[in-house]
Amino acid sequence: AQTVTQSQPEMSVQEAETVTLSCTYDTSENNYYLFWYKQPPSRQMILVIRQEAYKQQNATENRFSVNFQKAAKSFSLKISDSQLGDTAMYFCAFMKPQGAQKLVFGQGTRLTINP
Amino acid sequence: DGGITQSPKYLFRKEGQNVTLSCEQNLNHDAMYWYRQDPGQGLRLIYYSQIVNDFQKGDIAEGYSVSREKKESFPLTVTSAQKNPTAFYLCASSRDRALGYGYTFGSGTRLTVV
Repeated sequence: AQTVTQSQPEMSVQEAETVTLSCTYDTSENNYYLFWYKQPPSRQMILVIRQEAYKQQNATENRFSVNFQKAAKSFSLKISDSQLGDTAMYFCAFMKPQGAQKLVFGQGTRLTINP
Repeated sequence: DGGITQSPKYLFRKEGQNVTLSCEQNLNHDAMYWYRQDPGQGLRLIYYSQIVNDFQKGDIAEGYSVSREKKESFPLTVTSAQKNPTAFYLCASSRDRALGYGYTFGSGTRLTVV
């Protein structure tokens, strides 16, 4: 079974700083998908970024980018020029492409952006 | 606009009662999922359904039941057998044929035992 580990329960940075959230996972699969979801205080889950394991290039979405290290099974999220609205829980998640497409989530990292 | 609607937003259950959480989607998605969220534990899968009239247990199905009589609807019943039901419940759906695009989530239901 796949597992996802987020080793940072909480992080806090100043507005406009860059912050990196860590995620590692364990799988024997060669092809899979990785995601970062954001859950603000409203508790609505929002997809931040998605990475396909067979693609070497790291995914980017505006101020959000990932560092995908397949051999190390690491998938960190970098937030540049952090904003107050980035304050949220962030979840790393794994999905196999076959079958039921179940998402396996990490425990989450609570990120606070301070003014 | 298409999306997933969960109701109610807040729900209170007395000891020994069964309660049903509603989840409706108008995205024409084939697959639907129920997750439970507890502090410090992330999201854990309760049940999922890939097609109408079929569903499978997830990692923590004990004390829960579901049905999938319509493509749009996937209600979750929390039975009296669930010993610690106080949690935040999230429903989600995905396009079964568009692999790897993740989920669309509802806004959740907060269940509290009183």
